[in-house]
Amino acid sequence: EDQVTQSPEALRLQEGESSSLNCSYTVSGLRGLFWYRQDPGKGPEFLFTLYSAGEEKEKERLKATLTKKESFLHITAPKPEDSATYLCAVQGFTNAGKSTFGDGTTLTVKP
Amino acid sequence: DTAVSQTPKYLVTQMGNDKSIKCEQNLGHDTMYWYKQDSKKFLKIMFSYNNKELIINETVPNRFSPKSPDKAHLNLHINSLELGDSAVYFCASSHTGGSNTEAFFGQGTRLTVV
Repeated sequence: EDQVTQSPEALRLQEGESSSLNCSYTVSGLRGLFWYRQDPGKGPEFLFTLYSAGEEKEKERLKATLTKKESFLHITAPKPEDSATYLCAVQGFTNAGKSTFGDGTTLTVKP
Repeated sequence: DTAVSQTPKYLVTQMGNDKSIKCEQNLGHDTMYWYKQDSKKFLKIMFSYNNKELIINETVPNRFSPKSPDKAHLNLHINSLELGDSAVYFCASSHTGGSNTEAFFGQGTRLTVV
């Protein structure tokens, strides 16, 4: 069965203090690894899809990377508006589109 | 212009009641999902429909019954509600073919059973 473990559970940063979130996964045949952002009271919002080891994607202060066992979401010089819960999910080729989510990392950026 | 919309946003009801949550997507996706998010924020898939056909049915009590009248709609009916059903329920949609299979989520329905 597909599994996703995210760490840390919570991360508090000062504005401008760069850091990384980790997503470790096991899946039988990775179709895609997804990163989402979830703000309180809202649904998850799609950020990135990574398909193969070595792939990287960037969006503003966020950069996602992928290896065969884990993905990192690097946050460079974060701002308070980056505060949210970041969710990682994987899809395998054998699971008919089913995404398995991790528990998320709640990021708080203090001004 | 909302891509995935679900109603209601909040639902407070008594144990034993039957309730429904509606979901509609205007993205032209062929697959729709219901997810449950518990108090610890863990998102777990419940059901998935592809072109109105049930393709994922996780271990969910049979008090939960999804219904997909067409590709753009997936409703969730819950019978005999229990306290443990309290959670946030998210509808989502995606393509299942090709390379863009990321899911788009609705705003959630916060169900509170009292």
